[in-house]
Amino acid sequence: GAGVSQSPSNKVTEKGKDVELRCDPISGHTALYWYRQSLGQGLEFLIYFQGNSAPDKSGLPSDRFSAERTGGSVSTLTIQRTQQEDSAVYLCASSPWTSGSNEQFFGPGTRLTVL
Amino acid sequence: SQELEQSPQSLIVQEGKNLTINCTSSKTLYGLYWYKQKYGEGLIFLMMLQKGGEEKSHEKITAKLDEKKQQSSLHITASQPSHAGIYLCGAALGGSQGNLIFGKGTKLSVKP
Repeated sequence: GAGVSQSPSNKVTEKGKDVELRCDPISGHTALYWYRQSLGQGLEFLIYFQGNSAPDKSGLPSDRFSAERTGGSVSTLTIQRTQQEDSAVYLCASSPWTSGSNEQFFGPGTRLTVL
Repeated sequence: SQELEQSPQSLIVQEGKNLTINCTSSKTLYGLYWYKQKYGEGLIFLMMLQKGGEEKSHEKITAKLDEKKQQSSLHITASQPSHAGIYLCGAALGGSQGNLIFGKGTKLSVKP
C-alpha cells in the first residue's frame, strides 16, 4: 500500500523566495503532522491537523510559516521570504488517530536548501 | 532544556556485539515511540510502549519502559550492519495524542 509521500524530494531556493512543500498522507489517516529536522536541532514539531479541528500551530517558528490541509487529505507547508536558517529536512507524518496509539507514519522528507 | 534526552549521542560497535540506547524524559510519559532513520529517508516505526514495565521485541531489538524513571531503553542483540542508522525516541508528553517530542537521536554504526 502507498505510504506518506512528499514532494519535492529536494528544493534549492534563494533567500527571500517563497516555497511550498507538499504532503500526501496515507488514505484514511485523519491526523497529519509537519516536523523539521536540522543539524544540531533534532526533530522539531511544527504543526498538526486532526480532522476538522483547528490546527495546532504551536510549533511554527515564525509567521513566515503556514500550512493548510485541503479536504482533510493533502497538506501544503508554505515558507515565505525564506532565510538560510530555514534550511532543513521537512518531514510529514500521518496517523490514523486510533484510541491509545499515536503511531505516526513518516514520509521521506523534503530537503530544503536556502542559498 | 531538552525534554527527551538520548544517550549515547553516537555509538560504534563491532558486528555481533550487543548495545543499549537510553531515552530519558523530564516529564510524564504518555507513550514512548522508537523510530529508526537512515540517511535521506523518513522515520521507520519500531515500537511503541505505553505501560510501565512494558517490554516489546521485534527480531533482535527489545525496548523497555520504566515509567517511574520516565525512561526507556532500546537493546539490540548481536548487532548487524543492517542495524546501522539513527535511532530516535519520541514521546507524547501532553497526553496520549497530538504531536510527538523527539530526542536528538543516537547514531549507530556497526563495523563488519
